Amino acid sequence: GQQLNQSPQSMFIQEGEDVSMNCTSSSIFNTWLWYKQDPGEGPVLLIALYKAGELTSNGRLTAQFGITRKDSFLNISASIPSDVGIYFCAGRPTSGTYKYIFGTGTRLKVLA
Amino acid sequence: DAGITQSPRHKVTETGTPVTLRCHQTENHRYMYWYRQDPGHGLRLIHYSYGVKDTDKGEVSDGYSVSRSKTEDFLLTLESATSSQTSVYFCAISESPGVVGYTFGSGTRLTVV
Repeated sequence: GQQLNQSPQSMFIQEGEDVSMNCTSSSIFNTWLWYKQDPGEGPVLLIALYKAGELTSNGRLTAQFGITRKDSFLNISASIPSDVGIYFCAGRPTSGTYKYIFGTGTRLKVLA
Repeated sequence: DAGITQSPRHKVTETGTPVTLRCHQTENHRYMYWYRQDPGHGLRLIHYSYGVKDTDKGEVSDGYSVSRSKTEDFLLTLESATSSQTSVYFCAISESPGVVGYTFGSGTRLTVV
């Protein structure tokens, strides 16, 4: 089935550093979402993007909807220990009103 | 809270036995989904529902069935559990997927031995 390529798969960073991750697809998407999952919990929505080129922030998090509509990016500035978790991107294809396709996730570990 | 509850939270079952997982919502949302999460695969859609008695298959539906007899409940059944169905299962709900995305439950960890 269709899947989004999310990178990096995992990363260790020092507290205070900025983090960047991205998601790419061979298909065009109408909507991009970014989720964070804490251990033992379900994913929680961080940011939603609805049109190409859109740049949206949520606190220290900033996400962008790629101009080609085939990619999206998430940046975390000045990371803190509670940023640890798995970050998922999700895209809604043009041909599938109800369903999102999820990336494989980026596991973030922050070293204090 | 988010108004979505999954039960049970953990289950161990034997190969070949039937298993039903329940997703209950109090948000009156139209859309409900079942995903499974496995290392290296992210979240993969099993089945989804766009209304009472209206369901459709996702990308990994083989070996699973669903039922939605009322708005608040979406049941996922493994007719005859296999070890390959050992996974964490997440239910998600949405009022309008294109606008607000999903809200996820806390998950059910299923182990088939």
